[in-house]
Amino acid sequence: DIQMTQSPSSLSASVGDRVTITCRASQSISSYLNWYQQKPGKAPKLLIYAASSLQSGVPSRFSGSGSGTDFTLTISSLQPEDFATYYCQQSYSPPITFGQGTRLEIQ
Amino acid sequence: QVQLVESGGGLVKPGGSLRLSCVASGFTITEYYMTWIRLAPGKGLDWVSYISSTSTYTNYADSVKGRFTISRDNAKNSLYLQMNSLRAEDTAVYYCARSTSSSGLFDYWGQGTLVTVSS
Repeated sequence: DIQMTQSPSSLSASVGDRVTITCRASQSISSYLNWYQQKPGKAPKLLIYAASSLQSGVPSRFSGSGSGTDFTLTISSLQPEDFATYYCQQSYSPPITFGQGTRLEIQ
Repeated sequence: QVQLVESGGGLVKPGGSLRLSCVASGFTITEYYMTWIRLAPGKGLDWVSYISSTSTYTNYADSVKGRFTISRDNAKNSLYLQMNSLRAEDTAVYYCARSTSSSGLFDYWGQGTLVTVSS
C-alpha cells in the first residue's frame, strides 16, 4: 500500500496568515493527489483534486501543487472558517490511502 | 442538493454485528461508485469498501475482508455495510461517500455514524 505522510500533524496560526501543509507519498503517484477539509462533526469536504485543481465552490485562497511524491496545500490568507483538519489522499493505486491529517488551530 | 445520511451505528460487543445504512438524495446512486470510509479515534481516514455503479465490482480493505459486506438497494437509493465479527479496532466513525467511476475521488460525503465495539 502507498503510505501518505503529512506534516505538520498540527499547526497554530492566525487569521490572515499564509499556511502550507505538506504531504509525501511513499512512491510516485503522479498527480493523483486530493485534499479534503473536515470540521468537527461534519462531513469531509473536497478542496483540491489532481494535485492542483480547485473543486467548484472552494475559495481561491486554497491552492495545491506538486507531483510525484511531494505535494503542498497552501491557504494564502487564513479565514476563521478555515480552522479544521486537512487530509491528503492518493487515488493513484488501490487501496486508496489517506494522510494522518493536519489539525489547523487558531493561535 | 446532494446529501448522504448514514445511520445504524451504535455500541456493540466484540463478535457482534451491525448494519449501517446510507441514504442518498439529490442524485441517483446507480450513476456512481459508492464507498465506505472510517475514522478511528486518534487515527487518519481509512478506506473500508466500495461497490461499483452496477454492483458488478466490490472491494474490501484487508482488515475487514470476510467480515464486512457492502451492498446497495437502487430502488431505495441506499447503500449498506453489513459488519459481522466486530472487533475493538473497528471502532470508528463510518462515512459513506460517492465517486465517479473508480477514480477514488470523493466529491460528497455523509456526516458519519459512530460504531463503538466494546464489552
